[in-house]
Amino acid sequence: GESVGLHLPTLSVQEGDNSIINCAYSNSASDYFIWYKQESGKGPQFIIDIRSNMDKRQGQRVTVLLNKTVKHLSLQIAATQPGDSAVYFCAENPNSGGSNYKLTFGKGTLLTVNP
Amino acid sequence: GAGVSQTPSNKVTEKGKYVELRCDPISGHTALYWYRQSLGQGPEFLIYFQGTGAADDSGLPNDRFFAVRPEGSVSTLKIQRTERGDSAVYLCASSLAGGLLTGGELFFGEGSRLTVL
Repeated sequence: GESVGLHLPTLSVQEGDNSIINCAYSNSASDYFIWYKQESGKGPQFIIDIRSNMDKRQGQRVTVLLNKTVKHLSLQIAATQPGDSAVYFCAENPNSGGSNYKLTFGKGTLLTVNP
Repeated sequence: GAGVSQTPSNKVTEKGKYVELRCDPISGHTALYWYRQSLGQGPEFLIYFQGTGAADDSGLPNDRFFAVRPEGSVSTLKIQRTERGDSAVYLCASSLAGGLLTGGELFFGEGSRLTVL
C-alpha cells in the first residue's frame, strides 16, 4: 500500500553539526507535508510544513526540501543542539477524496545529539 | 488550559474491560482528532471531529472503538472489550479549524498510554 517511510531509523551527530533527516513517500497525490518532533513521553510537536507547490521552505534553524520527482522529503537542522534530540516524523496529507485533514505518518528517525 | 489536555496519562486494564480516554482541546478549536501510536511507530489516524460531529471515523479499527464530542469541545474515546493489541498511546490533537491547508497547525496532547494485560 502507499505509505510514508524513512531511510534512516537512527541518526547520531555531534553538537554544532548540521543534521539531515530523510523521508520517502509513495503517494503522488499528497499535497502537504509536515515534519514533527516527538520527545519521550510527549506528543508530536510541529516543526515545519511545506505544500506540494514548493520545493523549499526555511524556518528558524530548520529547512525542509521537497523533491516531487523522486518523492523525497528532507529536514535539515542547522547547528544541532542537545535539545534537538528526539524522534522526527514526516507526515503527509494523502489528499484522498479531497480530504485535507488526515495525516499519514512515517515510522520516525531517532536523532541523538552528542555533546 | 494552554494546550491539549488528555486524561488519564496512563491506564492499565485487564483484557475484556471497558476504557474511556478523555481529551480537552485548546479553547476555541473546532477540529479535534484522535490518533493511535504503537511502540516504535508513527501515529495512525483514528477519527476526526468538526464541531460535534464525526466527519471521518474511517480509522477506527473495529466497532469496539467509539468516540463522542457532544458539546463540540471535550471528546471521549471509548474502547469496549479491550484486547492486548489495543495497547498503545492514544493521542488527541486539535486545530483552530478543519483543513490542514486552511485551519492550520495540529496541536497534540501528551497522550494516554493504555496497557491491556
